[in-house]
Amino acid sequence: DAKTTQPTSMDCAEGRAANLPCNHSTISGNEYVYWYRQIHSQGPQYIIHGLKNNETNEMASLIITEDRKSSTLILPHATLRDTAVYYCIVRVNSGNTPLVFGKGTRLSVIA
Amino acid sequence: GAVVSQHPSWVICKSGTSVKIECRSLDFQATTMFWYRQFPKQSLMLMATSNEGSKATYEQGVEKDKFLINHASLTLSTLTVTSAHPEDSSFYICSARALSGSSYNEQFFGPGTRLTVL
Repeated sequence: DAKTTQPTSMDCAEGRAANLPCNHSTISGNEYVYWYRQIHSQGPQYIIHGLKNNETNEMASLIITEDRKSSTLILPHATLRDTAVYYCIVRVNSGNTPLVFGKGTRLSVIA
Repeated sequence: GAVVSQHPSWVICKSGTSVKIECRSLDFQATTMFWYRQFPKQSLMLMATSNEGSKATYEQGVEKDKFLINHASLTLSTLTVTSAHPEDSSFYICSARALSGSSYNEQFFGPGTRLTVL
């Protein structure tokens, strides 16, 4: 079972920042927070991951609360091509542990 | 990022036939590959984990005799759906974990294979 809780859907205006929340209150000390997205009829695409520090890359920023029980994925300037289902996943970063997907958040970017 | 390919991208077959789906890691080696399937409007469901040179580990409820997985090399895994039936129609997605390099231990996904069984 997925260990995260995300809103079912969100809308965002094109050009604005999209902030996608995720609750992971039972996260263990050795589990990372991963974000993937899936555009319709494609395989999931890696976005970003982190352990406890905030992270930023060319796609997004990841803000993790100090207690690590929740996080927020930020797409700074959403475009129509960012419309997708966004999955927040917690997983240990070792061994053969696979990514287990929950229901994710369907983000619709509106022109 | 690392690239994972799948072949075919889509396939239509008659009920009772077998279908093989290939998954390749193109620019990295992967000791572990994962197979998922996704029904319409649902999330990805993990089917099995395969390690190069050993038997796959199947998730509860997935029939290992129906979904044959072979992981013969560090860059290739195959999923064969045997005696396919309409209820096997789904989007099958493979994933590979990088063995080394800057993407060490990250999990990359293929583009998926859409199987339709008539």
